Formats: sequence, C-alpha cells, structure tokens
Amino acid sequence: NAGVTQTPKFQVLKTGQSMTLQCAQDMNHNSMYWYRQDPGMGLRLIYYSASEGTTDKGEVPNGYNVSRLNKREFSLRLESAAPSQTSVYFCASSRDIGGGALETQYFGPGTRLLVL
Amino acid sequence: KNQVEQSPQSLIILEGKNCTLQCNYTVSPFSNLRWYKQDTGRGPVSLTIMTFSENTKSNGRYTATLDADTKQSSLHITASQLSDSASYICVVSPISSGSARQLTFGSGTQLTVLP
Repeated sequence: NAGVTQTPKFQVLKTGQSMTLQCAQDMNHNSMYWYRQDPGMGLRLIYYSASEGTTDKGEVPNGYNVSRLNKREFSLRLESAAPSQTSVYFCASSRDIGGGALETQYFGPGTRLLVL
Repeated sequence: KNQVEQSPQSLIILEGKNCTLQCNYTVSPFSNLRWYKQDTGRGPVSLTIMTFSENTKSNGRYTATLDADTKQSSLHITASQLSDSASYICVVSPISSGSARQLTFGSGTQLTVLP
C-alpha cells in the first residue's frame, strides 16, 4: 500500500519545454488534487478532480492542464514551461470532495521543478 | 478573502522542551481546522482535525486547541524530539459543498529541535 506516488521526483526544464507530472493513488479515493508550494506561501490549488471523469480549475490554473486518466491516476501537464512555474508540486487524494465532512487529504512526496 | 496566518515563522527549541505554535484565520463560515506536519522533502501529513464545536484534540505529544470565537488555534508539542523538526501547517476548511477544494493553507511554522 504505497498511498500517493508521484513521478518524477526532480526535473529541470528550459523555458518553453513541456512535461507531464504523474500521480497515482492506491486508496480507492474518489477525489484528487494538484497543488504548488512556493517559499513563504501556503499550498495553492491548481486543479482538482472531484471524481473520475471530472476536472475543475483551482486557484492558480493558468499554464497548466490536467487529465484524470482513471480513478487511480491524475496527471498535470505544463505545455510551455515558464520560470514562474518553478515550484514544488504536490498531488493529493481524499475519499471524497467533502461538503463539511472531515475529509483528510493524503499527499504524495512532491515533484521539484526548476524552469530555467 | 479567506486567510490563515501562522506564527512564529520559525522556532528553535532544545530537545525535551515544550512549544506552542499559533494559527489565526478569517475563514467564515468555518467547518473544520487541520494541522499538518511536513518533513523536509516530503508531503504534508495530517496530525489533527477539529470541527468548529471541538475545543481540543490530541495525537500523542501533539495537542491542538481551537477558539472559534476568536478564530484562533494553537498546536502544543510536549517533550519535543529531534524528529519533530518540520514545518507545521494550519489548514482551514469552509462550510460549503465540495469544501475540500476550498481549503486555505497557512504558510507554516518551521520548527527546529536541537540536541
């Protein structure tokens, strides 16, 4: 039982290059999320998927796209990387999207991305 | 705009000592408050969860308190250990449908425990 896994762990890109961050969970959770974490700031939601087959924008979606491939996998794509996208990216999952319920999010180990 | 402010930004204590971390929030209406621990190079891990009606919640040496009237929470760590060195993040959830997509994260308190 690995929980939430993310690949790659580290990545260096040049401005304008594209890449996809992969995330998978084995807890049979319905909801999945992508966050970015920047120094001195709280985690910010990029995109989320409330359930298989649905995706929605979060607080900072510009420059990103997502795909909920199946119930287990949720990928984040940078089509044309910019230096402002240098950050640590976390994938998380929860049993459900909530509604006042005590839904704990389980986080992956993160992907450290540097855009030159 | 919903905000979560944590203090201090960083804290250094000696092993075996106690410490208290603070969290002030403006999220309203408020559903629940979580404290997460984030080790360096890892993702956050949930420590405690409290609803608006709870005043205190413990998890081993970690005790969280909540005052919904003043919109303040604290995390008290007893008899600190070297493994407590981490960032502690306060997260507040509003009352709304799909609240897990509307969490407000604090920027964290970086705790360093020295031998």
